[in-house]
Parts: sequence; C-alpha cells; structure tokens
Amino acid sequence: GQNIDQPTEMTATEGAIVQINCTYQTSGFNGLFWYQQHAGEAPTFLSYNVLDGLEEKGRFSSFLSRSKGYSYLLLKELQMKDSASYLCAVTNSNYQLIWGAGTKLIIKP
Amino acid sequence: IAGITQAPTSQILAAGRRMTLRCTQDMRHNAMYWYRQDLGLGLRLIHYSNTAGTTGKGEVPDGYSVSRANTDDFPLTLASAVPSQTSVYFCASSSVSGANVLTFGAGSRLTVL
Repeated sequence: GQNIDQPTEMTATEGAIVQINCTYQTSGFNGLFWYQQHAGEAPTFLSYNVLDGLEEKGRFSSFLSRSKGYSYLLLKELQMKDSASYLCAVTNSNYQLIWGAGTKLIIKP
Repeated sequence: IAGITQAPTSQILAAGRRMTLRCTQDMRHNAMYWYRQDLGLGLRLIHYSNTAGTTGKGEVPDGYSVSRANTDDFPLTLASAVPSQTSVYFCASSSVSGANVLTFGAGSRLTVL
C-alpha cells in the first residue's frame, strides 16, 4: 500500500526551531508538497521538493531524501501564528496525490 | 470572486436527502478536485476533473457524483446522504493536472443526521 507518516502533534516554544518529519512509501515519486492548515481554514501551499536537498523560503525550509523516502519541514524563529497543522503530500508515479494525516503544531509563549 | 468559492459554508441535513455542494473558481484552472477531510485521516480524493467535460473517480467516490460542464464550476452531489458522509469537504484546483500546486476553497462542513 501507499502511506505517508508524520507525527500527530508537536509542541514548540515561540522563537525556537522545530522540525516536522514525514516519511513516505508510494508507488513511484513525482514530488513532495508541504501545506499549512490553520484550524477551520483551507490548506495553503508552503513548499515543493522534487530533487534531493534543502529548499529555503524565508523562515521555512523543506528537505527531501528520495532514497530514504523522507522529508522534513523546518520552521525557524517560531511565531504564535505558526500554530497550525502541517500536511505532507506525495505525488506518485500516476500523479496521484497521497496525503498524510497532518501534524498539529502547538506554539507556546 | 478571488480564487475558489464554495457554498454552503456549513449545512445540516437529514439522512436520505439530496445535497449539492457548489464550487466555482475564477483562475481558469483546468483541473479541479473534491476532497473530504476527517479527523485523524489525510485528505481523501472523492472525484476529480482534469479539464472541462471530463471527470474521474478518486479514492472514495461511492455515494458522490460530479459534473464539469464548464471550466469554472465543479459541483459535488450526494444523491442520498448517509451519516458517514459527515465531513468537511474541500474543493481545489490546479492550473493543470499532475504534480502541481493546489489552491483550496474555504471548505463546506456537512453534518448528516
């Protein structure tokens, strides 16, 4: 089967750094997405990785290792507004998007 | 309209009733999708449309139908609602199908009693 695994919930402190991991097992690979979803709102796009390595975008960075079926989202200088769920999704060889259940990130002052 | 508009925002309906969730986009995106989101589960694809006039089944299509008469509109119909269809429904679109960024609507919260 195909599956995406990410921690259910994480807690971090305002101003700190947090890493949210995602491991995947899919039939082929055509890219990995991270989305942010605030409670009661729609998911919004954060990042896309198709090649191995680190993609940096301001306070957020996303890393991919295709050989390990692994990605992480790194959030720096955490702010209270970063409290949200972070969704990992992988596009397989048929261009189907497989979604993880999401990681709820709680930021404490 | 900017992006994707979904209606209604929320709805409570009795089991056995017919319900249509509306979705309209103004980005001229070719591909559109309907997902349901349930607690503890990832987004699950119900139906999709790669271009106007075509539709396809996703992971959980049973009990749902869609149509794509034009580029902008992609309604989702529950012919006879059941309690297991209680969920939050998101409509999404992308410029083309494949590994592309999705833009989501604000969601429709549906409760079937």
